[in-house]
Amino acid sequence: EVQLVESGGGLVQPGGSLRLSCAASGFTFSSYEMNWVRQAPGKGLEWVSYISSSGSTIYYADSVKGRFTISRDNAKNSLYLQMNSLRAEDTAVYYCARVGTLAAAGRGFDYWGQGTLVTVSS
Amino acid sequence: DIVMTQTPLSSPVTLGQPASISCRSSQSLVHSDGNTYLSWLQQRPGQPPRLLIYKISNRFSGVPDRFSGSGAGTDFTLKISRVEAEDVGVYYCTQATQFPRTFGQGTKLEIK
Repeated sequence: EVQLVESGGGLVQPGGSLRLSCAASGFTFSSYEMNWVRQAPGKGLEWVSYISSSGSTIYYADSVKGRFTISRDNAKNSLYLQMNSLRAEDTAVYYCARVGTLAAAGRGFDYWGQGTLVTVSS
Repeated sequence: DIVMTQTPLSSPVTLGQPASISCRSSQSLVHSDGNTYLSWLQQRPGQPPRLLIYKISNRFSGVPDRFSGSGAGTDFTLKISRVEAEDVGVYYCTQATQFPRTFGQGTKLEIK
């Protein structure tokens, strides 16, 4: 069974840092591209960042570029998001989401974690 | 960036009746590889999103056949043939044709 479990969220002051983790199980993590997607309270979904299966290709939303860093450790089946210079508008539930294969999911976000809440407030 | 626009934003539906959600993209979602990477997600209250439909019209594993997708180019539709109570939630269209990935604003499906 595919499982994605996020951790590392919490309350942080503006300008602070936080590192999110996503532990993957039930599939060959090193074969799949991954993303972080966030959802502000009561709002819609916002894509944050993408990383290829090897980690060699990375993209960011303009809203986080230069402040957030996505990474992965395929040996540990883990995805990370280092968040620096946090702002109030970064307050959201952060989900890790797998990119499905072309055949099985048309490269859609086929599995999601339960999310971890990040609150940026003084 | 590709802007995804959904209509309606709210849809009250009677149980057993059909429902339809439209999604329009600001530019064609046809990828250079010939595929159209438009998918639909369902987010039930208090839950993470769940993939329903991928590449316009393909149901993901385990998705009931009352859900169907259609469209081409820039105009897409999600249809539910007969709404059930468990279908309550917010539905999002999303594109994976180019970065940044973008989502529609979401359509809230509720029971009348």
